[in-house]
Parts: sequence; structure tokens; C-alpha cells
Amino acid sequence: KAGVTQTPRYLIKTRGQQVTLSCSPISGHRSVSWYQQTPGQGLQFLFEYFSETQRNKGNFPGRFSGRQFSNSRSEMNVSTLELGDSALYLCASSQGVIGGSPLHFGNGTRLTVT
Amino acid sequence: GDSVTQMEGPVTLSEEAFLTINCTYTATGYPSLFWYVQYPGEGLQLLLKATKADDKGSNKGFEATYRKETTSFHLEKGSVQVSDSAVYFCALSLPPNAGGTSYGKLTFGQGTILTVHP
Repeated sequence: KAGVTQTPRYLIKTRGQQVTLSCSPISGHRSVSWYQQTPGQGLQFLFEYFSETQRNKGNFPGRFSGRQFSNSRSEMNVSTLELGDSALYLCASSQGVIGGSPLHFGNGTRLTVT
Repeated sequence: GDSVTQMEGPVTLSEEAFLTINCTYTATGYPSLFWYVQYPGEGLQLLLKATKADDKGSNKGFEATYRKETTSFHLEKGSVQVSDSAVYFCALSLPPNAGGTSYGKLTFGQGTILTVHP
């Protein structure tokens, strides 16, 4: 079974631009979560989607948004990029129905904002 | 709020040494507990999990026991290998709640860097 696939692996953007990151979950998984990983803040939860609906959201500004498609693939968008948005963005999928289902992570998209 | 605290790193060991990485948590409710491992340039891989008190998770020689009385989930391995060098994260998730604030959310510790020398 293929794992979680994130594209692209690396991105370099300029401050003020916007960016879209893509995630394809494990086949059969309906829940997709996004995390930001930085050396200073560690791993922080962004949001979670299940069956095209956002069920949960972390404490990030509105510049961070996402969506999920009917095939469970997900995208996240960051608008008006700031230098502090430079991070590894990780997508994770799970069956999402039962609490405690482990999350399966992709290899991430490394975003650098200059 | 919910939180996970891991022992400070980095941890440096010789091959075949015994490993312990301490993890304690604070949570409202009854969390599930996880250990994830991250190799350089990669995402997080689930190493093991436990969903209720006294459960022992195990995988690839690693073990951790869910201790509700001490709110701990310490990771142990009897004999580490060079290939175990990585960053280890302890995490918790809460069961679904009325507010929906637990869906898809893992609360992570800060990570512990492990380096194993030959």
C-alpha cells in the first residue's frame, strides 16, 4: 500500500507570495491532518479534514487554510508569506473514525521563505 | 492544556547500550500515547502505541508501557544500533470530544535526538 505522498518536496518562495502544498493520503484513509515543524516551536497542529469538512483547527492565523477533495486528497495554502513561515510542513492521514487511530505521515514539504 | 514533556537531549550512546527516553504527559481525559521516530530528511514514522493504562507497545526492539499512575510512557531498548540514530517524539491524542478539538490532533513532545556510535 502506498504511503502518504506530499508534493513538492521543496519550495522556495518570496515574502508576500502565496503557496499551495498537496497531500495524497493512504488509500482508504479519510482523515488528513497538517502540521508545521520548526526548530523553535517543534510540531504544531494546523488543521484536520474528514470527508471534505474541516473538523478541527489549530492556533494559526487565517493566512493558513486548507481543503479536502472528494478523493480525500488535501491541499493547504499559505497566503502573504512571512519569513517565519519557513518550516517543514507535514501531512498525515488516518482512518479518522476511531479516537486513537495512529497518524501516518508523509515526508513533508520543506518551505523556505526569503 | 494537554502537554508532553520529553527528557532533554541530545542522547549519545555506544552501540549495544541500553536506551531510555523519558516521557511524561498532562491530559484531560484518557489519552492514547505514541512514540514516533524521524530520520534525517524524512517524515515521522509510528514506532509504537498504547491506548489504555498498563498497555505495552513494542516494535523493532523498542518498548514503552502506559503508566497512568505516573502519567508516563518511557521508551526503552535493550541494545541500540547505529541505525537507531534519529529524533524520537512522544505524543498523545485524546478521544473524540463534543467540541471536536481532538480530531486529527497529536500533541508532541519537543523531540529527543539520539546518536549511536559504533
